[in-house]
Amino acid sequence: ETGVTQSPTHLIKTRGQQVTLRCSSQSGHNTVSWYQQALGQGPQFIFQYYREEENGRGNFPPRFSGLQFPNYSSELNVNALELDDSALYLCASSESILGETQYFGPGTRLLVL
Amino acid sequence: GNSVTQMEGPVTLSEEAFLTINCTYTATGYPSLFWYVQYPGEGLQLLLKATKADDKGSNKGFEATYRKETTSFHLEKGSVQVSDSAVYFCALRDPYNFNKFYFGSGTKLNVKP
Repeated sequence: ETGVTQSPTHLIKTRGQQVTLRCSSQSGHNTVSWYQQALGQGPQFIFQYYREEENGRGNFPPRFSGLQFPNYSSELNVNALELDDSALYLCASSESILGETQYFGPGTRLLVL
Repeated sequence: GNSVTQMEGPVTLSEEAFLTINCTYTATGYPSLFWYVQYPGEGLQLLLKATKADDKGSNKGFEATYRKETTSFHLEKGSVQVSDSAVYFCALRDPYNFNKFYFGSGTKLNVKP
């Protein structure tokens, strides 16, 4: 059974640019959540996707957007990057929208200069 | 609103010492509670969970009891090992918005031989 994978592992961008991060969920999981983890902090919920539809959003601006594909893989897009967007971005998948157990990927570390 | 507060780290212990990491929460209703562990360079892994008051979650020698009266979910282990060195996160799941998980800021544990 393949776990949650994310790409790329590291990324450096400059302020104002756009970035796309990718996530492949664990086999059989139809729900994907994205989190931002700033240095020394816990993960903060960005949004969740279930069967290709956004299902809830945290306190993040619209320049954070996402997609989920029919195979349940997902993308996180961030437009107009700001310095404060520098963080570890985590993807987590679960078996269903009601699933309590989330399986996290290793994350993508984004540095905005 | 929902929030999780953890004791600040780092916590440094000698091998075989007793571990307690404090976690308290604020929530509407009765959330499910979780402990996650993050090893260096890896994503978060679920360590244990409890879904209702007085439940005890346990795994790999770690335990935590859901205390409604004190709104706490402290993590304990009787004898830590060097391999337990990691960052530990306490989290809750919003009981009314299942897609939202709230994490504490994490407690780093260093275990010395």
